[in-house]
Amino acid sequence: GDSVTQMEGPVTLSEEAFLTINCTYTATGYPSLFWYVQYPGEGLQLLLKATKADDKGSNKGFEATYRKETTSFHLEKGSVQVSDSAVYFCALINSGGSNYKLTFGKGTLLTVNP
Amino acid sequence: DTGVSQDPRHKITKRGQNVTFRCDPISEHNRLYWYRQTLGQGPEFLTYFQNEAQLEKSRLLSDRFSAERPKGSFSTLEIQRTEQGDSAMYLCASSRGLAGAGEQYFGPGTRLTVT
Repeated sequence: GDSVTQMEGPVTLSEEAFLTINCTYTATGYPSLFWYVQYPGEGLQLLLKATKADDKGSNKGFEATYRKETTSFHLEKGSVQVSDSAVYFCALINSGGSNYKLTFGKGTLLTVNP
Repeated sequence: DTGVSQDPRHKITKRGQNVTFRCDPISEHNRLYWYRQTLGQGPEFLTYFQNEAQLEKSRLLSDRFSAERPKGSFSTLEIQRTEQGDSAMYLCASSRGLAGAGEQYFGPGTRLTVT
């Protein structure tokens, strides 16, 4: 079945540091890939998405590129802020199969210190 | 767009009792989803509705769980004869049709504690 593996947390960075959170996936068909974020005390929110190979999703300074050859969708940001502290989830939806349910990774807790 | 709302936000119940949760999706969204999230894990899919039709149920959803979405608006998730293993955060999400299936809008969740 479909699965998502993301790097174990927690990740602790200083403000303005570079962020990478690794995500790899296993899926049949042609999945769309997503990063969701959960800020403290809030619900999950879509951060960015990519629907086909080589697409780059971007939002709020975060970027991720859909790499089919390495089945990866790593999240990056050049300069993190304290307000980026949250749990980040990589997810996929499989348009070739169950094109309705998101399959999530376990999440990575990011803490950014001033 | 007032967002997805869920009620209650917290529920503490004794083992063996029945509980019911409610989800109000974004009004123009015809798809509604339930997920369950336990500590340290990502959300896991439970079931999904398109309008009022329940189209898929996960194997995680035992016979003690039932979900409805009358008239294609709000949805309820009922757990009968709760067990301690049911303790989790129950998340509801909604989305527009097929093209927006991956862009799901999540509610704040209902945290269930079974004692």
